[in-house]
Amino acid sequence: NAGVMQNPRHLVRRRGQEARLRCSPMKGHSHVYWYRQLPEEGLKFMVYLQKENIIDESGMPKERFSAEFPKEGPSILRIQQVVRGDSAAYFCDSSPLSSYNSPLHFGNGTRLTVT
Amino acid sequence: DAKTTQPNSMESNEEEPVHLPCNHSTISGTDYIHWYRQLPSQGPEYVIHGLTSNVNNRMASLAIAEDRKSSTLILHRATLRDAAVYYCILRDGPSNTGKLIFGQGTTLQVKP
Repeated sequence: NAGVMQNPRHLVRRRGQEARLRCSPMKGHSHVYWYRQLPEEGLKFMVYLQKENIIDESGMPKERFSAEFPKEGPSILRIQQVVRGDSAAYFCDSSPLSSYNSPLHFGNGTRLTVT
Repeated sequence: DAKTTQPNSMESNEEEPVHLPCNHSTISGTDYIHWYRQLPSQGPEYVIHGLTSNVNNRMASLAIAEDRKSSTLILHRATLRDAAVYYCILRDGPSNTGKLIFGQGTTLQVKP
């Protein structure tokens, strides 16, 4: 029973490059949430997606960040023209439909380092 | 902003019980109380959740006050592996899209 898978586990990018972070939800889960954890801080919500739809992107920075969750394949968090302040751990979690009374299952994150 | 208040840190001795408190005085009727913990370099791990009644599972127990304005996570016998940051979170689906709003949590240290 595979859990939420995130890859890569570690990602190093130079300033100005693009970063793509992938999140494969648990089998049967159609909801994905992305969170960012800056060094020495708590997790902050970024975006909530269902298959092919963005439901809540209230935590996403207005520029350079985008997310998608296609019908097939993993959810992708894309950061264009990365800057040093984007260095953080990015976590996703997944849940099945109509699951507000259910646990959320997190991946082990992608640690992005911008040099 | 997080709707819960937790102590920044707590200490415990190994194999002793630990009671981690959480205040949520503005809780609404549809809010579930969730607890997650985060070990170093890992993603948050689900611990337990409840609505009104006390809950038990293999990891912990959750004691919820009658007025639901506070709750306590109980680890019955702390082990070194339980050293982590523990987050108490209110999760309300219909009006909040089910996202989790993390506070700073309680850092639990377990001494051998």
